[in-house]
Amino acid sequence: AQSVAQPEDQVNVAEGNPLTVKCTYSVSGNPYLFWYVQYPNRGLQFLLKYITGDNLVKGSYGFEAEFNKSQTSFHLKKPSALVSDSALYFCAVRDFDFNKFYFGSGTKLNVKP
Amino acid sequence: GAVVSQHPSRVICKSGTSVKIECRSLDFQATTMFWYRQFPKQSLMLMATSNEGSKATYEQGVEKDKFLINHASLTLSTLTVTSAHPEDSSFYICSASLLVAGVQETQYFGPGTRLLVL
Repeated sequence: AQSVAQPEDQVNVAEGNPLTVKCTYSVSGNPYLFWYVQYPNRGLQFLLKYITGDNLVKGSYGFEAEFNKSQTSFHLKKPSALVSDSALYFCAVRDFDFNKFYFGSGTKLNVKP
Repeated sequence: GAVVSQHPSRVICKSGTSVKIECRSLDFQATTMFWYRQFPKQSLMLMATSNEGSKATYEQGVEKDKFLINHASLTLSTLTVTSAHPEDSSFYICSASLLVAGVQETQYFGPGTRLLVL
């Protein structure tokens, strides 16, 4: 079965510092991986995805993620965090066999001024 | 592009009444829509997968007679919570899957509906 794990419930970072939100995956076959962000009382917004190609994927709002096959990871990164980046971040993997997405438990990012 | 809307954004109802939530893909045709439920500070729980013109596929533990899903067109899916009770209070989120070269690739999410059953 496909699954993703987000080992950190919360990540704290100072504004201007680089940030990393971790995600590891377990899939059979080639992974389709996604990152979404959720602001309070809102739905999820798509940030970026990895399907194939370059391991470094660039997405919205200056975020990027690095696909690492050997470590089965897809960590979300940003070189310089903003206070407005504070939100809940979800990693997801697509299961083709059952046409559904599996979401991680979410990581709350707190960026302090 | 790829905008998904939900209506209403918030609803308060009395116990025993039914509530309908609409999910629309505004600028693309979605052959598949998904319905999720999210409890406070938790991840999304997939409730059902809705395919246009066919019956929805429910996840294990989700009562299909309780949560009625209709996907009448390529841009509209509805979730009806029948005989709602306080334990049904939650944040309900829909998503629509964008078909790319025959493969359902990215999901785009609606803004969510906050249901409070008194």
